[in-house]
Order: sequence, then structure tokens, then C-alpha cells
Amino acid sequence: SQTIHQWPATLVQPVGSPLSLECTVEGTSNPNLYWYRQAAGRGLQLLFYSVGIGQISSEVPQNLSASRPQDRQFILSSKKLLLSDSGFYLCAWGWGEKLFFGSGTQLSVL
Amino acid sequence: GDSVTQMEGPVTLSEEAFLTINCTYTATGYPSLFWYVQYPGEGLQLLLKATKADDKGSNKGFEATYRKETTSFHLEKGSVQVSDSAVYFCALSDRSNDYKLSFGAGTTVTVRA
Repeated sequence: SQTIHQWPATLVQPVGSPLSLECTVEGTSNPNLYWYRQAAGRGLQLLFYSVGIGQISSEVPQNLSASRPQDRQFILSSKKLLLSDSGFYLCAWGWGEKLFFGSGTQLSVL
Repeated sequence: GDSVTQMEGPVTLSEEAFLTINCTYTATGYPSLFWYVQYPGEGLQLLLKATKADDKGSNKGFEATYRKETTSFHLEKGSVQVSDSAVYFCALSDRSNDYKLSFGAGTTVTVRA
């Protein structure tokens, strides 16, 4: 069966520090991978999606970047965090409209 | 562009009460509509879906009907349990947007014994 792992569950980082959130999927090949973010009081916003290794599409301009170094690994990064980067980050995998989500990372930038 | 608006929470209910969470959408095409649920400490999971007008999605006692005339997909359950406490997200997927999911803000539901 397929599983998705996302870590850490919570993270507190100072403004200006770097960020790396990792997501891995097991039990499937060549999935589409997604990073979503939920800021306080707002819906889940799609940040990045990837249809293959090294292929990243950015949905919104921002302070973050994503990479897919391996088929089932998706990494969300920032060189210097901003206060506005605080939020709940969710990784997901799937095809088309069927998505399966990780348990999320609550990021607080102070 | 596509968007989803759902009622703000939090919603607090007693066990066996009736639950309704309103959801309306804006889309350029003919979207599929979804309700996702996130139980405490877990990832989002699909609760139910409907792919065309007048379809009714149902699962675990929850129902939602795709109403094209009112662009709505309200979630209902006749008798909630404590285990239904969770965050509920309405979402849509549209072919014109490469089927990427657009989510509402989420509604936190707490059911008290």
C-alpha cells in the first residue's frame, strides 16, 4: 500500500533562517507531488506541484522553492524565512483529482 | 479563477445533533466537488465526492449534493458523534485548471458528548 511521510510535525524557526521540509512517498511510482500551505484563516493554497523528477511548477510567487531530487521525494525550501511564511504545510501525492495527503508541518516563524 | 467558500467555524455541537457545513464555489468549467476531512493528528483524507450536477456523494453518514443552480455542495450529517470532530475542507477540481484541487478555508467541528 502507498504511504506518505512528512516531517517534522512542528517547527519553530527565527526570521532569516533557512528551511527544509521533506516529504517522501512509498509504494507507488512516478506520482504527481504537491506542496500546499494553509495560512491562518485561509484555505489550502497550492504552492508547487511536480509531475516528475526535476520538474517543478510554481503556482504563486513567494519566498519558497521546491525540488524533486528523486521520484518519490519532494522538498520545500527557503534560504531566508519571513514572518509571512508561517502556516501549515501539507505534502500530497496523487494523479489528477485524487490526492493523498501527509499529516502536515506546522511552521512558526518568529 | 476557481475558488471555494465555506462557512467559517468553529462549530461546536452535541452528540446526535444535525450538522450542516455550507460550501459554495466559483469555477469556469464543470468541476468535480469534494469534501476532505482532517482528524486530529492525521493528514487530510477524502470523505466524499461528486463529479456532476445532482450527484450525491456519501460516506460515513455524511452526504453532499452537487447543486449547479446554486453552485453549492453543502455537507450534512443527521446525527454526529464525538469521533466526527475534525476539520472539514470543501474543494473543487476543474479540467480547465489541470485538475489541481482548490480548497476552502476549512471548518473546525467539535462534537461534545
